[in-house]
Amino acid sequence: EVQLLESGGGLVQPGGSLRLSCAASGFTYSNYAMSWVRQAPGKGLEWVSSINTGGDYTYYADSMKGRFTISRDNSKNTIYLQMNSLGAGDTALYYCAKASGTAAGAAVDLWGQGTVVIVSS
Amino acid sequence: SYVLTQPPSVSVAPGKTARITCGGNNIGSKSVHWYQRKPGQAPVLVISYDSDRPSGIPERFSGSNSGNTATLTISRVEAGDEADYYCHVWDSRSDHSVFGGGTKLTVL
Repeated sequence: EVQLLESGGGLVQPGGSLRLSCAASGFTYSNYAMSWVRQAPGKGLEWVSSINTGGDYTYYADSMKGRFTISRDNSKNTIYLQMNSLGAGDTALYYCAKASGTAAGAAVDLWGQGTVVIVSS
Repeated sequence: SYVLTQPPSVSVAPGKTARITCGGNNIGSKSVHWYQRKPGQAPVLVISYDSDRPSGIPERFSGSNSGNTATLTISRVEAGDEADYYCHVWDSRSDHSVFGGGTKLTVL
């Protein structure tokens, strides 16, 4: 079955860190760019970060740059999002997203179910 | 940074046609993707690259893109089409993905 399974979400204090993981299955993972997209409560979709097939090109939304790091392990069919210096504004449902091609800007044709991150003291 | 503007809401009667717009500076020069998100579910790609319909998406869904506006058109609207719809582009100038604010489609 083609799917993405996120994990690693949870409750974290302001200023803390969290590492999200996304395990892919059912397709040749290394052939596709991948992204993280989040949705805060009551808000719309917000792009977080993208990574190319080889993992050597990464892209970040301005508000995440310097705090978040995206990476991928093609041997494990998994991408990661290391999140540091978290604030209340980072509270959201974080989706793992598969691009339909090698380009980071390709249409997202597969989404995970998401993992919830809550930043609160 | 590049901005995509969508109307917050669109209402349509069953069987009629819904048009959801996505405005952006010279958006016609970019490839626009559209997603449908129902409550409690992950988004689903309904239109890619302006007007391509992924397999499994009804022919009632179509897209166009020209000038400063891209449009998602849903013909013969059904109650099951009620959802939030988002447009999405890649801005090559900033190397950023950009989502529109989303449009809530209500079927009357």
